[in-house]
Amino acid sequence: DVKVTQSSRYLVKRTGEKVFLECVQDMDHENMFWYRQDPGLGLRLIYFSYDVKMKEKGDIPEGYSVSREKKERFSLILESASTNQTSMYLCASRLRNEQFFGPGTRLTVL
Amino acid sequence: QKEVEQNSGPLSVPEGAIASLNCTYSDRGSQSFFWYRQYSGKSPELIMSIYSNGDKEDGRFTAQLNKASQYVSLLIRDSQPSDSATYLCAGANTGTASKLTFGTGTRLQVTL
Repeated sequence: DVKVTQSSRYLVKRTGEKVFLECVQDMDHENMFWYRQDPGLGLRLIYFSYDVKMKEKGDIPEGYSVSREKKERFSLILESASTNQTSMYLCASRLRNEQFFGPGTRLTVL
Repeated sequence: QKEVEQNSGPLSVPEGAIASLNCTYSDRGSQSFFWYRQYSGKSPELIMSIYSNGDKEDGRFTAQLNKASQYVSLLIRDSQPSDSATYLCAGANTGTASKLTFGTGTRLQVTL
């Protein structure tokens, strides 16, 4: 079974803090993705990566950056957290056409 | 803007009935389509993929694709209360670096 794990299920941070969300997959997938999910807005793509050290902006990259130093790990960084970044963050990895999600991190920024 | 549209619901069906979930897409370049099920508070889980026009069956689930009409549907036969969830439709262009475009989901309620 494909396994995608995320470092935290719940996270509470303060405005202005730097936040790291970690995602690890164990299936040697090349493509990895970060989404946020908000009620009424659905899943929105923040960044994705199709290889180590490669990254592409998604639909809403502002306020975020990413790092992919190893194939299995894709990190999302909030440089200076703001309250409008309170959301559910979902990491996914993909093999060919099928995309698999991690359990999600619910981030609250106070 | 490339979009995938779904009715947000809720769609309410009695136990044992057929649930029909629908999705339309605007990007004619989309070649692959996926249905995800998402329980409240959980992450999406892939349940069906379809790449060609016609029907694809897997157990109680049937996915239907009509590229000419830009329409994708998911039928759930013999609906069970455990099928109550939000169902997300997604489409993708070809290519290894292609992205999925998700609809906002349809909430299904299966009533006893």
